[in-house]
Amino acid sequence: AQKVTQAQTEISVVEKEDVTLDCVYETRDTTYYLFWYKQPPSGELVFLIRRNSFDEQNEISGRYSWNFQKSTSSFNFTITASQVVDSAVYFCALSEGERAGSYQLTFGKGTKLSVIP
Amino acid sequence: GAGVSQSPSNKVTEKGKDVELRCDPISGHTALYWYRQSLGQGLEFLIYFQGNSAPDKSGLPSDRFSAERTGGSVSTLTIQRTQQEDSAVYLCASSSDPRETQYFGPGTRLLVL
Repeated sequence: AQKVTQAQTEISVVEKEDVTLDCVYETRDTTYYLFWYKQPPSGELVFLIRRNSFDEQNEISGRYSWNFQKSTSSFNFTITASQVVDSAVYFCALSEGERAGSYQLTFGKGTKLSVIP
Repeated sequence: GAGVSQSPSNKVTEKGKDVELRCDPISGHTALYWYRQSLGQGLEFLIYFQGNSAPDKSGLPSDRFSAERTGGSVSTLTIQRTQQEDSAVYLCASSSDPRETQYFGPGTRLLVL
């Protein structure tokens, strides 16, 4: 069965510090997709990134970067020079469809990030 | 273009009443998902629609929950005989293809008194 673990429940950092959010996943499929979503206090889930299991290349988007390592089943998210607007709950999610066919998302419990000015 | 929309944004109901929640997916998106977010259970999958295929109902928590999707577009999630444990935020998402990114609506916050 698929599973996503975000061991960090809450993290507090001071503005401009770098912070890494951890995500570990479990799956038996060889084809799967990994996602990060941001949920600000307003409540809406905002898509950040999608990676497929065949693409381990790390990605950088502005202050955000992602490190995907199949050897450790991890998909970690780093925010560089954090800002107050980064305060939110961040969810890591996994979808697989080879068996079930629906590609439903399995979410981790989320990490609440607070950036203190 | 317009994103996923959901209505109502908030719903307060009494235990035992039925409720209907509506989702309008992004135009052209064939895949539609319902999820539930509650404090105790986190984000949980409920049901999935893809085109004219039979829906995947494997996440529905009880037979009081049902959903339909008319004309391959708008979807309605119905909860019959609501219970207090049904209180949660119900989220709808759509994607252009099941393998592609799911985009979420703002959710419906349901409170059962």
